[in-house]
Amino acid sequence: AQTVTQSQPEMSVQEAETVTLSCTYDTSESDYYLFWYKQPPSRQMILVIRQEAYKQQNATENRFSVNFQKAAKSFSLKISDSQLGDAAMYFCAYKAAGNKLTFGGGTRVLVKP
Amino acid sequence: GAVVSQHPSRVICKSGTSVKIECRSLDFQATTMFWYRQFPKQSLMLMATSNEGSKATYEQGVEKDKFLINHASLTLSTLTVTSAHPEDSSFYICSARDQDRSPYNSPLHFGNGTRLTVT
Repeated sequence: AQTVTQSQPEMSVQEAETVTLSCTYDTSESDYYLFWYKQPPSRQMILVIRQEAYKQQNATENRFSVNFQKAAKSFSLKISDSQLGDAAMYFCAYKAAGNKLTFGGGTRVLVKP
Repeated sequence: GAVVSQHPSRVICKSGTSVKIECRSLDFQATTMFWYRQFPKQSLMLMATSNEGSKATYEQGVEKDKFLINHASLTLSTLTVTSAHPEDSSFYICSARDQDRSPYNSPLHFGNGTRLTVT
């Protein structure tokens, strides 16, 4: 079974600074997708960024970028120029064929003004 | 963008009663929907996969007679918590995929969740 591990329960960052969230996963599949979701206090799940495993180029969405290391099965998220609105729980997720999303345990991001 | 509506957002019920939660895809059709449960300060745990026109597939450890899932149309799946007890109190979230998009690269769209409190 696939597992997703987020080793940082909580990360704190100063406003305008950069923070990196780590994620590792375990799979025997060669074709899969990886995601980062943001869950603010409203509990709504918001897709932040996604990465196709077959693509070597790291995905980027505005201030959010990933460092995808397929051989190491690592998928970290970098938040640049952190804003107060970035404060939330962040979940790393894995999906192969079959649509099931497997989530990591989550990392709480605190942004200090 | 694709919208998934989940209702109710909050529900309080007495122990022993049943509660139904609805998940609707508003602007797309979804042959498959997923139900997750989230305990406070924890991650989302997949409970079951809801398939339109067929039986749901439950994850290991999830009681199918306790959590009844019905996916009667391409836009609606329901989760019924039967004979609810305080330990069923949790946050329940549904998600759906647009069936007209590739299953490999289309993201799942999430509802806003339902907070169930059983007294």
